[in-house]
Amino acid sequence: DQQVKQNSPSLSVQEGRISILNCDYTNSMFDYFLWYKKYPAEGPTFLISISSIKDKNEDGRFTVFLNKSAKHLSLHIVPSQPGDSAVYFCAASQGGSEKLVFGKGTKLTVNP
Amino acid sequence: DGGITQSPKYLFRKEGQNVTLSCEQNLNHDAMYWYRQDPGQGLRLIYYSQIVNDFQKGDIAEGYSVSREKKESFPLTVTSAQKNPTAFYLCASTLMGLSGANVLTFGAGSRLTVL
Repeated sequence: DQQVKQNSPSLSVQEGRISILNCDYTNSMFDYFLWYKKYPAEGPTFLISISSIKDKNEDGRFTVFLNKSAKHLSLHIVPSQPGDSAVYFCAASQGGSEKLVFGKGTKLTVNP
Repeated sequence: DGGITQSPKYLFRKEGQNVTLSCEQNLNHDAMYWYRQDPGQGLRLIYYSQIVNDFQKGDIAEGYSVSREKKESFPLTVTSAQKNPTAFYLCASTLMGLSGANVLTFGAGSRLTVL
């Protein structure tokens, strides 16, 4: 049973526009959520995280929004750049656990 | 530079052979992990270790084995019992006991192809 779901396998946006990547989860015990970015044949790199006690966290062009009642989070990238083209993974952890549960990823393509 | 080194980057194996993937970190991290990535799939946890000489099975441990004899090293052996070993393998590590999100640092990965 998938606890973290990224229902859009791919997303294509124009350079300069907003990219919105979505993630849903089923385990209400998750209290930290993270986004990772991955280029082909490389390891994922950490982008941004959010605690369940917040509903928004910003870092430069990246903002993550959390809607606990809907068990939904989203990553906004504004403005999108061609270098943002990668696979984005949503991940979650529970109660200080060192284990992360990952979604299947969304491939973002930013067109010049 | 601190980081995680995985080797080899690419590995080919004949069916029925065991193969060991290396993972070394110089970040002084406590916990280390092995994940597997398949096309269209997320990262699935194979094994993890929070302390030397101790490790736990993840979600897909069958056909794999690990050891943690040193804090900085966490090799993964893909045995002949693993039915579909062709995949991209990722090693990760993190400090334990910190408040906040558990941010894993990943290596560059090893691609194993079974011929």
